[in-house]
Amino acid sequence: KQEVTQIPAALSVPEGENLVLNCSFTDSAIYNLQWFRQDPGKGLTSLLLIQSSQREQTSGRLNASLDKSSGRSTLYIAASQPGDSATYLCAVRPSDTGFQKLVFGTGTRLLVSP
Amino acid sequence: DTEVTQTPKHLVMGMTNKKSLKCEQHMGHRAMYWYKQKAKKPPELMFVYSYEKLSINESVPSRFSPECPNSSLLNLHLHALQPEDSALYLCASSPGRWNTGELFFGEGSRLTVL
Repeated sequence: KQEVTQIPAALSVPEGENLVLNCSFTDSAIYNLQWFRQDPGKGLTSLLLIQSSQREQTSGRLNASLDKSSGRSTLYIAASQPGDSATYLCAVRPSDTGFQKLVFGTGTRLLVSP
Repeated sequence: DTEVTQTPKHLVMGMTNKKSLKCEQHMGHRAMYWYKQKAKKPPELMFVYSYEKLSINESVPSRFSPECPNSSLLNLHLHALQPEDSALYLCASSPGRWNTGELFFGEGSRLTVL
């Protein structure tokens, strides 16, 4: 059974810092991995999608990497801003189960202070 | 326009009521999903429609009933719910088949069952 873990569970940084969020998954048989952000009480906003054949994806100040063989992904946020404060979720699509679904991690709550 | 629209944003209902949640996307996506999210937990998949074919998470009780009138609309019919069904219900869509492509989420419908 695929399990996804995110470390740390919570992170507080001052504005301007570069930071890394970690995502680990137990089974390397995945189609892709997606990073989302969620503001309190809101829906999920897609940040980056990495297919299993890719190593990284970039969008603006965000860079996500994928090492499928070791079961790890990182989300790098450059020059953090207070508007980056949210919960960040990673999710993988397993490729070897009957009822396919996006398996979510437990999330990292990020607070960027001015 | 990457948008998934959910209505209503908030719904309060009694345990004997019948209500529906609605979801719409105009991105030409052929897979649509219902997720349930409790506070401080990751979303849990309830149903998937992929090319109008339904897949069900077998742990979802029958008081939840999905309907897909066409490829751009998805409804969730609610009947005889319990207070523990109170949660944020998220609709999502993705292009192509369910196992590829980026997932886009709506803002969610906050359901309270009294």
